[in-house]
Amino acid sequence: AQKVTQVQTEISVVEKEDVTLDCVYETRDTTYYLFWYKQPPSGELVFLIRRNSFDEQNEISGRYSWNFQKSTSSFNFTITASQVVDSAVYFCALSEGRPGDYKLSFGAGTTVTVRA
Amino acid sequence: NAGVTQTPKFRVLKTGQSMTLLCAQDMNHEYMYWYRQDPGMGLRLIHYSVGEGTTAKGEVPDGYNVSRLKKQNFLLGLESAAPSQTSVYFCASRTGQGNIAYEQYFGPGTRLTVT
Repeated sequence: AQKVTQVQTEISVVEKEDVTLDCVYETRDTTYYLFWYKQPPSGELVFLIRRNSFDEQNEISGRYSWNFQKSTSSFNFTITASQVVDSAVYFCALSEGRPGDYKLSFGAGTTVTVRA
Repeated sequence: NAGVTQTPKFRVLKTGQSMTLLCAQDMNHEYMYWYRQDPGMGLRLIHYSVGEGTTAKGEVPDGYNVSRLKKQNFLLGLESAAPSQTSVYFCASRTGQGNIAYEQYFGPGTRLTVT
């Protein structure tokens, strides 16, 4: 069964629009970690954020913000006032399991295209 | 610091040929991972290592072998390449301090085509 589901496969917006990427996860563990990574057209994977299961505070970093809701098993990502440089594939990932043996399970990714 | 580097960046193999992908990290990380990325499937874990001299299977280990003889290096081997192994391969590493799943740092990837 898919542990991480990224609801949107592709999103296309015009510059300055807001865009929200939805991520739903599945785990039986009480301690787990959630991540978002960005993969621009150049291909490398860039870490954006890590959140543990005990910290449900929303986070804002510049134009990026994250909404973590344990009640709905969701960890959504919003880009405010999108720019062309935000065009990339974004991955949500879950890390669960025994301490010291954490492995990442990735979602299939959401491709974001920001048009000028 | 170079971070995580991968060699080679591109490779074309014929079915049945063998090759080794090299991953090196200079961050003194304990944990290292090999993933493959295929269209529409995200990244899938092939093998990983929790320290020098250790290896473990991930989600899709068949057809691959790994070795971690030195802490900074993690090698991925294909003994007899198959077209189904055409993919982009990423290496990653992370610190193992404490019982926290710290973020993984990724290499630039190796694009492998098997004909």
